[in-house]
Amino acid sequence: QQPVQSPQAVILREGEDAVINCSSSKALYSVHWYRQKHGEAPVFLMILLKGGEQKGHEKISASFNEKKQQSSLYLTASQLSYSGTYFCGTERGFGNEKLTFGTGTRLTIIP
Amino acid sequence: KAGVTQTPRYLIKTRGQQVTLSCSPISGHRSVSWYQQTPGQGLQFLFEYFSETQRNKGNFPGRFSGRQFSNSRSEMNVSTLELGDSALYLCASSLGSLAVKTGELFFGEGSRLTVL
Repeated sequence: QQPVQSPQAVILREGEDAVINCSSSKALYSVHWYRQKHGEAPVFLMILLKGGEQKGHEKISASFNEKKQQSSLYLTASQLSYSGTYFCGTERGFGNEKLTFGTGTRLTIIP
Repeated sequence: KAGVTQTPRYLIKTRGQQVTLSCSPISGHRSVSWYQQTPGQGLQFLFEYFSETQRNKGNFPGRFSGRQFSNSRSEMNVSTLELGDSALYLCASSLGSLAVKTGELFFGEGSRLTVL
């Protein structure tokens, strides 16, 4: 089942913060975050495993709330280079479960 | 090292035709996944191959098929094309393992298929 991302789109001025949410109705083993710039391939940002750990990547960090089956991606002091579409992908349980992506959140940073 | 290579990058077909897309993974990667990307639908999982075996399959009709060769290169085929098959088809490779969950995926730039 496809995870739900919110918001669908957001426009920010350079230097502002953004939060992108990803939620699932099923118990999750992991949450993956990718960014895709226009006309380019998606690029890996980070993986979060169940256990509620928070990870960071430059000024981009994420958390995973195992109880709520939700993950949030935090972009602080956004830069023009952060523009793109952000996808969360979720995996359930163990075994050969497929990675299922949400429909994406389009982030536009303006000067 | 070289990234994931997909060919062709662009192609135009007509309804009823078939198409074969190719993906060369990063050297050493044994897992190849295919995704269909359309506006508003995000990345829809097609299938995953690991060591020449299909390990997972998404909810697509049987017209969509794939295979993986001993050198880990993969192909996907779509037969009897429909207008709705127009999309960007992305291939992703990863180290993969029978015991490890999905790790970092390395995506190719995709093959953009237009069906007229």
